[in-house]
Order: sequence, then structure tokens, then C-alpha cells
Amino acid sequence: QVQLKETGPGLVQPTQTLSITCTVSGFSLTSYYMQWVRQTPGKGLEWMGFIRSGGSTEYNSEFKSRLSISRDTSKNQVFLKMNSLKTEDTGVYYCARGRGYGHFDYWGQGVMVTVSS
Amino acid sequence: DVQMTQSPSYLAASPGESVSISCKASKSISNYLAWYQQKPGEAYKLLIYSGSTLQSGTPSRFSGSGSGTDFTLTIRSLEPEDFGLYYCQQYYEKPYTFGAGTKLELK
Repeated sequence: QVQLKETGPGLVQPTQTLSITCTVSGFSLTSYYMQWVRQTPGKGLEWMGFIRSGGSTEYNSEFKSRLSISRDTSKNQVFLKMNSLKTEDTGVYYCARGRGYGHFDYWGQGVMVTVSS
Repeated sequence: DVQMTQSPSYLAASPGESVSISCKASKSISNYLAWYQQKPGEAYKLLIYSGSTLQSGTPSRFSGSGSGTDFTLTIRSLEPEDFGLYYCQQYYEKPYTFGAGTKLELK
């Protein structure tokens, strides 16, 4: 059974770094692309980037300078790190699985992140 | 970036009715379009990809059509579990982009 679950800090201060973990089960990270998508009040759903099955990454230029996606295949985990947070980064962050075609067949339930002092 | 415009943003219907949701792309995206459903407290669910291909497990009352810039999601004979939010997404080019969503509510 395919499952994805995001865990994160909930509240982050402006200018700080956000770290979110996506823990997966039921499939291998070396066989699928893993994406990060966020949903904010200001911009709705935004694709942030992905890590390919082979481990290389690609980012939305909107976030490229401050976003990093990585993984630990031994732990079945994918990581998002984004620095220089602003209040506009407040929203729900999702990990999602894809096969590299561009659509996402399984999503986590998301983790709410609030950027506030 | 490819802009995706969904309409309507809100739709009220009764079980048994049929509804259609439109998604328009700002440039031709061939058939690189997916539809997702979101219900409160649940994960996003892929319904349709490649414009019209039903994802495994998607009921046959759902159908997708269109290519180029204009796409439609149709739900025939609505069931109670169909009420929720619907989003389109283009994956013709990166960054992948989504529509703003359509809320389908029970009339």
C-alpha cells in the first residue's frame, strides 16, 4: 500500500530555514520521482521541484535560489529545505509521487507551515 | 509560465446530476493535462491524466476531454462522494502549473 506522510515544524520564524520530511512506504524511491508541491493563500498550488529516481533534482525557478530537495533511500525519506522564509511562504506543503511524466499519482496529506514571528 | 484558468470556481449540484468543469491553458499543452480531486482531510487524488485517461480506480462516471488549450472534466450522475475540490494541472512544460480549483458542493 502506497503511503506518503509529511512531517514538519508547524511554525517557522521569518528569515529562518524550513525543513520538511516526507516518509514513504509501499514503493522504492529509486523507481519514482518525488515532488514537492505547496498550496498558499496567495498563489494556490505551486510545483516546487522534484528529485528523480536516479537522485538528480530540478527546481521551479521561483524557488531555485533557496530550495533544496534531497533523499535518504535507506530510510525511505525525501527532504525539503527552504531558506530565507517569508510570511508569504505560509501554506500547506505536500510531497507527491510521480513517474517522470509530470503528473502525480499519490500525494501525502500535507503539512501546514506558518511563517510568523 | 503556462497559466491555467479553471471555471467555474464554484458549482452546486445534486446527486444524480451531471456537471462539467473547464480548464483553459494560456498556450497549447497538447494533452499534457491532469485532473485531481481533493476532499477535506484526505490526500489529493489523481483522477485523469493525458487529458482523458482514467487513473486506475477512478470511476467511469468521470471523463476528461480536450487538447491544445481547452479541457473539460465531466462527472455524470454525481454520487455523494464526488463533492469536493477539483484542480487541473499542466505538465507540458516546467514549471508545472495548476488551476485555481473548482469547489463542487451539494445543492
